Amino acid sequence: DQQVKQNSPSLRVQEGRISILNCDYTNSMFDYFLWYKKYPAEGPTFLISISSIKDKNEDGRFTVFLNKSAKHLSLHIVPSQPGDSAVYFCAASALSGAGSYQLTFGKGTKLSVIP
Amino acid sequence: NAGVTQTPKFQVLKTGQSMTLQCAQDMNHNSMYWYRQDPGMGLRLIYYSASEGTTDKGEVPNGYNVSRLNKREFSLRLESAAPSQTSVYFCASGLSEQFFGPGTRLTVL
Repeated sequence: DQQVKQNSPSLRVQEGRISILNCDYTNSMFDYFLWYKKYPAEGPTFLISISSIKDKNEDGRFTVFLNKSAKHLSLHIVPSQPGDSAVYFCAASALSGAGSYQLTFGKGTKLSVIP
Repeated sequence: NAGVTQTPKFQVLKTGQSMTLQCAQDMNHNSMYWYRQDPGMGLRLIYYSASEGTTDKGEVPNGYNVSRLNKREFSLRLESAAPSQTSVYFCASGLSEQFFGPGTRLTVL
């Protein structure tokens, strides 16, 4: 049972346009959500996050929106640049009993930004 | 400041061989994690350590053991490797925001 779902395996966007990556989750205990970016042969790098008490967080060209009632979040990249081409993972976390956070990842969306 | 480092970068094993993947972080994080990434599967948590001296199972712990050697180091051991353990392994540290190492690409023949 997949608790974090990214239903689009790939997305192609023209340079300068908006990229919108979507993510759905099922577990109501998740209270923190993150987006990671991954280039081939590298580890994932943290991009942006949002707490469940907010509905929007912005960092430069990247904005994450959270709709708790729909259990849906999205990452907007404006304007998209060729260097944004990577696999984007949505992740959700909940505090474990051991005092650590466990991240649950989606399967990723491969974004290709076409010059 | 190296962040999270992992060794080795690549490894090929035969079925039944054992090996240990090493991970170290210099960010003074209490929590450390081991994930595996398989094609089309995203990252799945194998084991984690909330603090020095503690370890707990994640989503896919079977076939693995871990050791939290000290605050900086967290190792993952495969006692008897199987082809199903062919994967890319990532170590991470942090709390709600986790920072990842570059990964170890393991092939089990």
